[in-house]
Amino acid sequence: DGGITQSPKYLFRKEGQNVTLSCEQNLNHDAMYWYRQDPGQGLRLIYYSQIVNDFQKGDIAEGYSVSREKKESFPLTVTSAQKNPTAFYLCASSISTPNTGELFFGEGSRLTVL
Amino acid sequence: AQSVAQPEDQVNVAEGNPLTVKCTYSVSGNPYLFWYVQYPNRGLQFLLKYITGDNLVKGSYGFEAEFNKSQTSFHLKKPSALVSDSALYFCAVRDGNSGGYQKVTFGIGTKLQVIP
Repeated sequence: DGGITQSPKYLFRKEGQNVTLSCEQNLNHDAMYWYRQDPGQGLRLIYYSQIVNDFQKGDIAEGYSVSREKKESFPLTVTSAQKNPTAFYLCASSISTPNTGELFFGEGSRLTVL
Repeated sequence: AQSVAQPEDQVNVAEGNPLTVKCTYSVSGNPYLFWYVQYPNRGLQFLLKYITGDNLVKGSYGFEAEFNKSQTSFHLKKPSALVSDSALYFCAVRDGNSGGYQKVTFGIGTKLQVIP
């Protein structure tokens, strides 16, 4: 079945450690996104990529980094510079053109900093 | 700047009764509007969207939404609620008039509780 796979589903990190969240899609979508979800705040955009080897900062990119070396993959690294990394992270993809397409989401990764 | 307001943190409705989850938006160009549903510890699932055309949009699981341009609203509705509809619902907007990438802005979500 086509879809988006995020891993791991749960992740625990000690302060000062970098962690990488995986996101893989087999929908042949050009555009991919990372969102952060906190209770009562909705979804906030961290990074997005419209095409391979290109990505742009979203609204809350500080302390995060991404890469887009393959169309299918868009991993997110939460660095030690992110001051409050405990959150639910959602990866999504969509068609790029036209701009009318809905987002397809993965099942999410919950990161907890100990 | 575009924005989405979901004025109710929670909506409670009895099973079998009609439900409405409210959404208003602000965008400079033509709005592309979306509704998503999220079950606990899961990703968001697309329900329906309005791009152009008929103001009443039908979507998955018996949900529908009505686009009202004058009131800048896009309320989600269902004629008869099921207990399994209990979830978190997100409204989202994208500016359809601008070229290139236009980001999607989400509301903060409304928790729907259907009471047996």
